[in-house]
Amino acid sequence: SQTIHQWPATLVQPVGSPLSLECTVEGTSNPNLYWYRQAAGRGLQLLFYSVGIGQISSEVPQNLSASRPQDRQFILSSKKLLLSDSGFYLCAWSLETQYFGPGTRLLVL
Amino acid sequence: SQQGEEDPQALSIQEGENATMNCSYKTSINNLQWYRQNSGRGLVHLILIRSNEREKHSGRLRVTLDTSKKSSSLLITASRAADTASYFCATDLLKAAGNKLTFGGGTRVLVKP
Repeated sequence: SQTIHQWPATLVQPVGSPLSLECTVEGTSNPNLYWYRQAAGRGLQLLFYSVGIGQISSEVPQNLSASRPQDRQFILSSKKLLLSDSGFYLCAWSLETQYFGPGTRLLVL
Repeated sequence: SQQGEEDPQALSIQEGENATMNCSYKTSINNLQWYRQNSGRGLVHLILIRSNEREKHSGRLRVTLDTSKKSSSLLITASRAADTASYFCATDLLKAAGNKLTFGGGTRVLVKP
């Protein structure tokens, strides 16, 4: 069966520090991969999606970047975090329906 | 405004009652999906209904889709305290690359024991 992992679960980072969140999927090949951000009490905003290794599409201009170095690995990064980067970050994979990881809560202070 | 918008934003009911929430969207879709999110957790897929389907059931869940009105509803029958969660609709748009979904703002459901 397929599983999706995200880590860390919680992260507190100072403004201006770098960020790397990792997402890995097991049990499937060549999935579409997604990074979302969710503000408290709100819906999901799609940040990036990828249909294959090295293929990244950005949905909104921002301080973040994404990479897909392997088929089942998706990384969300920033060189310098802003206060506004705080939020709940969710990774998902799909073939048709989307399956979500447990999320990473990021607090930038 | 968002492609998918849920109504109401929040709903409070007693255990055993039915809960109904609605979703409206603006452009043509391949399918519409409903997800549940417990507080602080990832989303869990509930039901997918395709654009050529009108109604779908899964256990205590019933989803309808009216493409002429660009709307969908999710009915939870005989609610339980464990149904307390936020519920999101998401649309898979025609011609959207990568099976992207557009999520609404969600309906927060509180089921009181």
